[in-house]
Amino acid sequence: NAGVTQTPKFQVLKTGQSMTLQCAQDMNHNSMYWYRQDPGMGLRLIYYSASEGTTDKGEVPNGYNVSRLNKREFSLRLESAAPSQTSVYFCASQRESPQETQYFGPGTRLLVL
Amino acid sequence: AQSVTQLDSHVSVSEGTPVLLRCNYSSSYSPSLFWYVQHPNKGLQLLLKYTSAATLVKGINGFEAEFKKSETSFHLTKPSAHMSDAAEYFCVVSDHDYKLSFGAGTTVTVRA
Repeated sequence: NAGVTQTPKFQVLKTGQSMTLQCAQDMNHNSMYWYRQDPGMGLRLIYYSASEGTTDKGEVPNGYNVSRLNKREFSLRLESAAPSQTSVYFCASQRESPQETQYFGPGTRLLVL
Repeated sequence: AQSVTQLDSHVSVSEGTPVLLRCNYSSSYSPSLFWYVQHPNKGLQLLLKYTSAATLVKGINGFEAEFKKSETSFHLTKPSAHMSDAAEYFCVVSDHDYKLSFGAGTTVTVRA
């Protein structure tokens, strides 16, 4: 059981470049989430998918898009990267209800120059 | 709307002494509350959660937290700190929708 996996672990982009962060979970969870973590700000929700086929905006969705490819996979796309998107990105999954535990991936460190 | 305030950005303790991490929350409903721990360069791991059962919640690694509705607090404690407890700790509130609110985090250092 790998849990939640994320690729890549680290990426450097130039301003204006695009990239997709990949996330997969093998726990048969219904809900998946993308967060960004910045110093002194905790984690902020970018987008979430309550179930396969649905996605919704979180607290900081501007500049990002997501795709719930299937029940296992939830990707985050930066169409035109900006230095303000330099951050650590975490994917998480949850069995079903918001009261349940979220399981986090190891994170992707993104640096935008 | 829900929100979380972690009252200390940094806590330093000696090994073997108690640890107290303070968390206050605001919520329109009866919330679910969580404490997560993040070790350096790792993802977050659940320590414990409160979901309207017993107000004193026991978690992993000797941690516990008490839900006090009158004080809107959910403080995390451990009687005796270990070197392996050095990490960042996040208090999290859920109003039962999918948008969790995270506190800014408390960094714990443990002195030998």
